[in-house]
Amino acid sequence: NAGVTQTPKFRILKIGQSMTLQCTQDMNHNYMYWYRQDPGMGLKLIYYSVGAGITDKGEVPNGYNVSRSTTEDFPLRLELAAPSQTSVYFCASSYRRGSGGGSTDTQYFGPGTRLTVL
Amino acid sequence: AQSVAQPEDQVNVAEGNPLTVKCTYSVSGNPYLFWYVQYPNRGLQFLLKYITGDNLVKGSYGFEAEFNKSQTSFHLKKPSALVSDSALYFCAVRDVNTDKLIFGTGTRLQVFP
Repeated sequence: NAGVTQTPKFRILKIGQSMTLQCTQDMNHNYMYWYRQDPGMGLKLIYYSVGAGITDKGEVPNGYNVSRSTTEDFPLRLELAAPSQTSVYFCASSYRRGSGGGSTDTQYFGPGTRLTVL
Repeated sequence: AQSVAQPEDQVNVAEGNPLTVKCTYSVSGNPYLFWYVQYPNRGLQFLLKYITGDNLVKGSYGFEAEFNKSQTSFHLKKPSALVSDSALYFCAVRDVNTDKLIFGTGTRLQVFP
């Protein structure tokens, strides 16, 4: 298993440009997540998905969009890039049996995409 | 609100000495606590988690963590540090309201030869 893969590894955007960060997992996990990591700030959840066709906002969703058409893929879209979106982006996945609270799942992370917006 | 705090931005330790990376938490109800490690230019890797049971949890690479309910702490420990343990360590807690992980700001561990 490759686990969680992300492309590209690095990208430089100009203000106002758009791009899609790709994330794929081959572990048949139902939950997938997008985080951003800023220096000294830990990880902040952008969006997450509990299964194909279902997505929801996390802590910092503004400026981003997601879709989940398959179990394996969870792309993150930046429509109008801004300097505030300069960050390292991590995708993660986990498996949960059933819905509801009480999650004890372990999240598995991809290697990250380093994005700079100039 | 649920939260975790990592009070040290950096911890320095000599190789072969014991290491401790501190984490305190604030949750309502029973805490589900996690430790992750991030090596340079890599994603986060799961080390260990506490759900219930024994207060001492053993994880990957010889690490362990001690859950202390009275002190609301979940410190990461290792009896003998290696230079290869040098990395960024994150503590996380499950938010009981949203069921999501809340991460601390991270502690950089530097092990010197």
